[in-house]
Amino acid sequence: KNEVEQSPQNLTAQEGEFITINCSYSVGISALHWLQQHPGGGIVSLFMLSSGKKKHGRLIATINIQEKHSSLHITASHPRDSAVYICAVYQGAQKLVFGQGTRLTINP
Amino acid sequence: DVKVTQSSRYLVKRTGEKVFLECVQDMDHENMFWYRQDPGLGLRLIYFSYDVKMKEKGDIPEGYSVSREKKERFSLILESASTNQTSMYLCASSPGLGGYTFGSGTRLTVV
Repeated sequence: KNEVEQSPQNLTAQEGEFITINCSYSVGISALHWLQQHPGGGIVSLFMLSSGKKKHGRLIATINIQEKHSSLHITASHPRDSAVYICAVYQGAQKLVFGQGTRLTINP
Repeated sequence: DVKVTQSSRYLVKRTGEKVFLECVQDMDHENMFWYRQDPGLGLRLIYFSYDVKMKEKGDIPEGYSVSREKKERFSLILESASTNQTSMYLCASSPGLGGYTFGSGTRLTVV
């Protein structure tokens, strides 16, 4: 069993839909990252959070430390949101553990 | 904005060649990392460095070495490239406390 599990692995939705991607982890962490990877490979850090909730534009990330669970939400999804979204947990000592990623496709 | 620059986006090399992948960051970060990304396996840590001339093995260091002679530059070296090293390679840097910036990646094909 992976230390970081994401669901779903693939998600296809229509433009405008509300999107939720989930991340569960089994290890103690200092912080959790949500990353976005577009075709071509480059990875962008969307959020780093260790408690509560963060919002940036149409993106919202939440974390529940007790339940070891985080969610990434996208409101009013758009085709340009199509990407792979990766959850990564930071355990300290410079160790990041990555989930497998969720491939999101938003159709116009 | 912090920039992490990888020297090549795409690279094709022959089996047995020595391959250098270069990574440069411009924000004076102490920590730098090399990952490889493969379908179904996600990102895996090859090596990291927390200071000049310091290096630590990650989860899959076999077949690789690294060099960090200057704080801003972290090089990944494939001493004798093999086909199973065909992959996407990603460099990252961090000032510590969990904040990371990734490069655009180098897609290496070994033929």
